[in-house]
Amino acid sequence: GQQVMQIPQYQHVQEGEDFTTYCNSSTTLSNIQWYKQRPGGHPVFLIQLVKSGEVKKQKRLTFQFGEAKKNSSLHITATQTTDVGTYFCAVLGGSYIPTFGRGTSLIVHP
Amino acid sequence: GAGVSQSPSNKVTEKGKDVELRCDPISGHTALYWYRQSLGQGLEFLIYFQGNSAPDKSGLPSDRFSAERTGGSVSTLTIQRTQQEDSAVYLCASSLMGPLASSYNEQFFGPGTRLTVL
Repeated sequence: GQQVMQIPQYQHVQEGEDFTTYCNSSTTLSNIQWYKQRPGGHPVFLIQLVKSGEVKKQKRLTFQFGEAKKNSSLHITATQTTDVGTYFCAVLGGSYIPTFGRGTSLIVHP
Repeated sequence: GAGVSQSPSNKVTEKGKDVELRCDPISGHTALYWYRQSLGQGLEFLIYFQGNSAPDKSGLPSDRFSAERTGGSVSTLTIQRTQQEDSAVYLCASSLMGPLASSYNEQFFGPGTRLTVL
């Protein structure tokens, strides 16, 4: 099945620092979605990227899809304590079954 | 409008017992997914329903696991002869259309059922 690697697994930052998580695949992806899961909660959809080289912004969050459609990143500028949670990418490659990355847990220290 | 609901929210059972987990997707959503999430881990795909088509069961870990979706709406995940390694949060998600559609849609997740097998 589709393999996707998400790094890092954990990231500790001081409030106000930036944060980036990466999602990498060895195969070309149809699209990629990003989800956020707060502690004790369920995944909530953030965004979907479809086009090669696509960049989308949501306030302090910037999402990028690589030119080769094999990788993606989520960047948060000036983190806040409300950003705490686990960020997952979900990809569609050759299989139509979405594959989720293992997630990156963001811990923000006030 | 109501989101995806799941019941029960928590289930504690003894090893060897059968359990049924229920999912009510968002009305009108044709695609329904079941996932399993162990503590601190990612989402493990279990099964996928799309409309009236035969489900994709490729993620079910053993023949003790089965799922149904009645009338294209409510779904039930059944685990027979539960084992301690079945302990996890079971998440259900629905989307307006499935991945085969020309425009793949976001998944809306339910709150999950936390299963504990003693």
